[in-house]
Amino acid sequence: GENVEQHPSTLSVQEGDSAVIKCTYSDSASNYFPWYKQELGKRPQLIIDIRSNVGEKKDQRIAVTLNKTAKHFSLHITETQPEDSAVYFCAASGENNDMRFGAGTRLTVKP
Amino acid sequence: GAVVSQHPSWVICKSGTSVKIECRSLDFQATTMFWYRQFPKQSLMLMATSNEGSKATYEQGVEKDKFLINHASLTLSTLTVTSAHPEDSSFYICSAPMGQGRNQPQHFGDGTRLSIL
Repeated sequence: GENVEQHPSTLSVQEGDSAVIKCTYSDSASNYFPWYKQELGKRPQLIIDIRSNVGEKKDQRIAVTLNKTAKHFSLHITETQPEDSAVYFCAASGENNDMRFGAGTRLTVKP
Repeated sequence: GAVVSQHPSWVICKSGTSVKIECRSLDFQATTMFWYRQFPKQSLMLMATSNEGSKATYEQGVEKDKFLINHASLTLSTLTVTSAHPEDSSFYICSAPMGQGRNQPQHFGDGTRLSIL
């Protein structure tokens, strides 16, 4: 089955700096890669996603890149703000929409 | 607003009790829903895929007799934790794909925090 690895587990940046989180997956059949932001005790919120026919996608300060050959994808957050502090999860999904999540990255943006 | 409604949000009960959690899709139909479990400071682990009109598909290591799933209609899936014990205490969360077909974004319920005494 699919195995998703995520790094780093914790990330601390200064406000205004960029943050990068990386994930790898094992199943070449996976073709949908969402990123979720989860605040303590709350449900995950979809922040951006990318499909396998696209290499890069951007939405304001957030961007995601996908390298299907190498089976890795990354989340980039620019101009970070304290409200970006949360746990971020990458995920990989196949044809059945069953998602497998990475272990999560706890991002702290220091003002 | 929420597109997936999950109830209850918090349950505290004695060991040996069975607990039912409901997951409803609001304003859309979901032939498939997913159930996840999340321990503190850990990731979401897929437990099972709930299929409307047929049996659920369980992930390896998840006991189907322990975690009963029923997908009775196109908008409702239920997870029943039978004879719950303290080790079953966790955050349970459901999701449903917003559209039909492959590669659909998932929308999550608010989760249920289950505490077994």
